[in-house]
Amino acid sequence: SQTIHQWPATLVQPVGSPLSLECTVEGTSNPNLYWYRQAAGRGLQLLFYSVGIGQISSEVPQNLSASRPQDRQFILSSKKLLLSDSGFYLCASISGVRGYTFGSGTRLTVV
Amino acid sequence: GENVEQHPSTLSVQEGDSAVIKCTYSDSASNYFPWYKQELGKRPQLIIDIRSNVGEKKDQRIAVTLNKTAKHFSLHITETQPEDSAVYFCAASNGHDYKLSFGAGTTVTVRA
Repeated sequence: SQTIHQWPATLVQPVGSPLSLECTVEGTSNPNLYWYRQAAGRGLQLLFYSVGIGQISSEVPQNLSASRPQDRQFILSSKKLLLSDSGFYLCASISGVRGYTFGSGTRLTVV
Repeated sequence: GENVEQHPSTLSVQEGDSAVIKCTYSDSASNYFPWYKQELGKRPQLIIDIRSNVGEKKDQRIAVTLNKTAKHFSLHITETQPEDSAVYFCAASNGHDYKLSFGAGTTVTVRA
């Protein structure tokens, strides 16, 4: 079965600082990978997804970007964080016919 | 794109009673409908899912129904227990790149 590793678990960053969140997947090859953000008390908003190495689709225009340098690695980045970037960031991988497997998430607070 | 609406936003039930959460979707091409449970500070976990070729699916105390004509689906939890307290999310996908569109979530509280 798939396992998704996501780090760091928590992060406090000042406004204007850069961001790099990493997600790696074990137990599968060539997965579809997704970055979701969950604001406090809200649902999950799809930010980016990737169907293969170097292939990135953006769902929401914003100051974030994503990259997929390796088959099982998905990175979320920002050059300059905004207060509105605070939230719970979740990486997900499609798990065969059984829907998503989520990583444990990164709680980002921009101060 | 797909728009999924979920109601109610909060639900409080007495232990042992049933809980029902309803979702509607906009894309008639959607064919996969999972439900996730998220405990405080944790990742969402898949609890049940249904595909558009069936109308109902049951797994112990949890059941999901789907009405493709009306474009709505529901989660039913029977004999609720305190450990059922969590946020529940519905989602829908039309299969394109397996993207899921999520509802806003329902906070379920089971009173002992």
